[in-house]
Amino acid sequence: NAGVTQTPKFQVLKTGQSMTLQCAQDMNHEYMSWYRQDPGMGLRLIHYSVGAGITDQGEVPNGYNVSRSTTEDFPLRLLSAAPSQTSVYFCASSYLTGSTEAFFGQGTRLTVV
Amino acid sequence: KNQVEQSPQSLIILEGKNCTLQCNYTVSPFSNLRWYKQDTGRGPVSLTIMTFSENTKSNGRYTATLDADTKQSSLHITASQLSDSASYICVVTLAGNNRKLIWGLGTSLAVNP
Repeated sequence: NAGVTQTPKFQVLKTGQSMTLQCAQDMNHEYMSWYRQDPGMGLRLIHYSVGAGITDQGEVPNGYNVSRSTTEDFPLRLLSAAPSQTSVYFCASSYLTGSTEAFFGQGTRLTVV
Repeated sequence: KNQVEQSPQSLIILEGKNCTLQCNYTVSPFSNLRWYKQDTGRGPVSLTIMTFSENTKSNGRYTATLDADTKQSSLHITASQLSDSASYICVVTLAGNNRKLIWGLGTSLAVNP
């Protein structure tokens, strides 16, 4: 019963590097999303997906790309890391209809130096 | 503007004491309101959901209330335990197909022995 699995848990990047944060869920949820959490700003939506092949932008999409080739996986790509992207990133999933409860991964703490 | 405001920002109580956290929202159209608990270094976990027609709902030592007229919700914690130390986040879901969530900044609760 894994739920939502995020990897890695910690990552340090140099400015300009690219990387992919992985997210996988085993609950057959249609809706998946990526958030960043910064002190004093709460959770902010980066990108979301309502099903395989469908993605859309959230509040703070700049500098990030996503794709959804399967129901289970929703990776987040940082194209050219900047210090402003230092944050804790959470992936979440939920059903598209009915219950709106979001299930979160354990988070990825990213530092860009 | 859709907003969720929580108070207090932080709270320190002694183990065994009760406390009440507040959430005021200006969100329309309203679908439901959830309280999440976020332990340090972990993703948020749903505690309870309140819909428009519900006034009170309990989950163990947690009791949530909702006043849809005044657009206020509270989370009451009874007989606090050290494990209740966490951030408590209020989230309102907008009605509609995009399932947009409006997140509060959370209340940081510390329960001391």
